[in-house]
Amino acid sequence: GAVVSQHPSWVICKSGTSVKIECRSLDFQATTMFWYRQFPKQSLMLMATSNEGSKATYEQGVEKDKFLINHASLTLSTLTVTSAHPEDSSFYICSARASGGDGAQYFGPGTRLLVL
Amino acid sequence: GDSVTQMEGPVTLSEEAFLTINCTYTATGYPSLFWYVQYPGEGLQLLLKATKADDKGSNKGFEATYRKETTSFHLEKGSVQVSDSAVYFCALSDLGGGNKLTFGTGTQLKVEL
Repeated sequence: GAVVSQHPSWVICKSGTSVKIECRSLDFQATTMFWYRQFPKQSLMLMATSNEGSKATYEQGVEKDKFLINHASLTLSTLTVTSAHPEDSSFYICSARASGGDGAQYFGPGTRLLVL
Repeated sequence: GDSVTQMEGPVTLSEEAFLTINCTYTATGYPSLFWYVQYPGEGLQLLLKATKADDKGSNKGFEATYRKETTSFHLEKGSVQVSDSAVYFCALSDLGGGNKLTFGTGTQLKVEL
């Protein structure tokens, strides 16, 4: 149980294009989903917290107009990197937390983005 | 604010050696504690968890005990295997922190034959 999927797992795009990453909780309902960014050999950096049906809460220093988050249902959240630039290249990981749980987050396998 | 401190890596062990990865925390409330494991190129997997003092989390031969008096949650395994090579993250979730996860910096474990 508690499986989270992400799609795509790899994406290569040209500078200036937008990329959408999907995060799905497959066997549970997730009232809250989180988006993280991870740089090589570093820990995860929380970008934003997404609650179903409401606007995402962004961490300090994260541009909300650049990283658009939508959490339209209890099983799906999307992150759109708009007008991507090479510095946006990174490993993006989502996680989901079940309602009424113990705080555990279940992570997707990650999406590696390379912007040329 | 909340924080998690882990021992720095990389930790290199021979197969069947005993593993300890230290983790201590600072939190304003009564957090839940977690160990996550990340294999190369993958996302994080929940390894084990403990939600209150003196709880012991265990999974796949790994164990960690929630020690409130020492604010610690050290990860242990009696006999490591090459397949345990990964990065291990200690984390806490605190209601006072909005139930966000606060991660340690991660400890890379390399197990050699």
